[in-house]
Parts: sequence; C-alpha cells; structure tokens
Amino acid sequence: DSGVTQTPKHLITATGQRVTLRCSPRSGDLSVYWYQQSLDQGLQFLIQYYNGEERAKGNILERFSAQQFPDLHSELNLSSLELGDSALYFCASSVGTGNTIYFGEGSWLTVV
Amino acid sequence: AQSVTQLGSHVSVSEGALVLLRCNYSSSVPPYLFWYVQYPNQGLQLLLKYTSAATLVKGINGFEAEFKKSETSFHLTKPSAHMSDAAEYFCAVRVNAGKSTFGDGTTLTVKP
Repeated sequence: DSGVTQTPKHLITATGQRVTLRCSPRSGDLSVYWYQQSLDQGLQFLIQYYNGEERAKGNILERFSAQQFPDLHSELNLSSLELGDSALYFCASSVGTGNTIYFGEGSWLTVV
Repeated sequence: AQSVTQLGSHVSVSEGALVLLRCNYSSSVPPYLFWYVQYPNQGLQLLLKYTSAATLVKGINGFEAEFKKSETSFHLTKPSAHMSDAAEYFCAVRVNAGKSTFGDGTTLTVKP
C-alpha cells in the first residue's frame, strides 16, 4: 500500500459525459501527479500540482482539467468523454517536487 | 527534453534464470532514474532509484540496476527469476522537479 488513495476504482460512463476522479496523496506529500495509462499510448504524464498550484503540464487534453484543494487532495475532471479516453488513470504523490513519486492503484475508466 | 527507451516490450525467462530488462535514457543534465513494477490490476510500485549516489542500486525483491553514464543505460537485473516476478516493468527518468518520463514498459513472463 503506497498510501495514495484513488476513487473510484472502476467507472463506466457513456460518450459525451463528464467524470471526476479523486486522489488523496500520502500523508505529508505536497505534490500530486496525474498519469494516463492506455494500451496505445503507454504511461503518459498529464499534470502536476504542488501545494495547490499547477507546477507542470504534460499531454493533457483541453477537455481535461485538474485541481488540488487546500487539504491537498486532487481531482481530475474529464469532460466530453470519447471512446479513446478509456484508460487507467493514476494519481501519484511526493513530498516535494524533486522527490520519489508513489502511485495509487489507479482508476479504471471505460467509456462506452 | 528527456526520454526513455525500454528495449524489448516482452521478455520471457525460465524460473531461476537471470532477468535482464534494458533501459536507455537521454538527458541533457544528470538524471534521476527509476524502475517501477506494475502487477496485474495494481498501481506502479517503486523497485529502486538512482539519485547520483552509488551507481549500483539495490532495490526490493532482489532486483538491482546499474547506472552507466557512458552508455546512458540503467538496466534492471535479478540473478534468479521467480514466478512472482511476472509483471510489467517501467523505467523512468526525471531531470527537473516534477515531471517524470516513463518508458513504454516491458512485460516479464516467467516460465516454470
């Protein structure tokens, strides 16, 4: 158990819909990262927050957004969902911005 | 920009045989390097990390990796494979605070 908690573990939704994935980082960690793992794209970095502020941005679509709240939990919002958005979405956390990152179990999103 | 190449998307070994998973990186500055393991239906778990200290890094479950700057490599090895080592392995590089870049992963199969 890495200490990073993600909910929900599985989610099935229809195209065009919007979902929110939630992440609670390890106790004491200020950085939260979101990754997408799909069969054709592998593990892709989406975005990173540090203590509530966006720190780094990767291959995140405009339809996706994220935020980190004062209690340090984070949410990844996915809207106007397409079939190709079906993937495993990982949250990870670290103490700071240059430390080892630890991953949650992931949220499986299936878009039908 | 940094990048990671994992040579061989699938590696198959017999139980008790040497495990060698290859990782090459490119980076314009000294990198931090990581190996993660992903068991089926689980998140990524840190195996080991190189952070500019000793070039031979020992990790969990008997795995180790050697940082070779001249070869820009960070191959993962284990002297004797166990059935429980069957999983997907990811090499990752980080050169600045925050963003880590992952390889495409190598699926390790262990035959009895």
